[in-house]
Amino acid sequence: ETGVTQTPRHLVMGMTNKKSLKCEQHLGHNAMYWYKQSAKKPLELMFVYSLEERVENNSVPSRFSPECPNSSHLFLHLHTLQPEDSALYLCASSHGTGGNTGELFFGEGSRLTVL
Amino acid sequence: GQNIDQPTEMTATEGAIVQINCTYQTSGFNGLFWYQQHAGEAPTFLSYNVLDGLEEKGRFSSFLSRSKGYSYLLLKELQMKDSASYLCAVRGLMDSSYKLIFGSGTRLLVRP
Repeated sequence: ETGVTQTPRHLVMGMTNKKSLKCEQHLGHNAMYWYKQSAKKPLELMFVYSLEERVENNSVPSRFSPECPNSSHLFLHLHTLQPEDSALYLCASSHGTGGNTGELFFGEGSRLTVL
Repeated sequence: GQNIDQPTEMTATEGAIVQINCTYQTSGFNGLFWYQQHAGEAPTFLSYNVLDGLEEKGRFSSFLSRSKGYSYLLLKELQMKDSASYLCAVRGLMDSSYKLIFGSGTRLLVRP
């Protein structure tokens, strides 16, 4: 148990569906992240929120839309995805985003399959 | 550009010692992390180096040479449960903030 909870753990969707991934952290952190993990590729940073404000959008296609309603919750809204978007989506949190900040605490991920 | 290299796979024997290397080229440097990730689980933090030298934490040690852009993770007295992927990550400077850049990970298989 890392203190970061992601739901659902598995999701299968068609290319025309709309779905959302949810992340909740119970660690009192003020920064939250979405990462994409594909087989044999490095973890790719998608979005960073600090104090509920988006501070990083790493050239992610608009079919991925993040939402951070408060410092404990983060969503990733999915719409009109492509099969190549199938991957493990990891949420993480930390104390702050820069300088002498601590490590990332990851959730167990949401395994997404796009048919 | 930003680049982190580590071997794709390694195999070692239970009870032995294994060293996993990581080399990096990044814009700026503000620390290097090692994470462990078991299949189907979240990556978990193992170690952090920001100054040159060796950091020891139980069976695991991590070394950093900033001038060489090089780190290694040393695992002693290997156990079967150490079979996992080991991710090297560097906090580099991108725009005006620091971001964690990950390598592809090294999958370690520990055999009896």
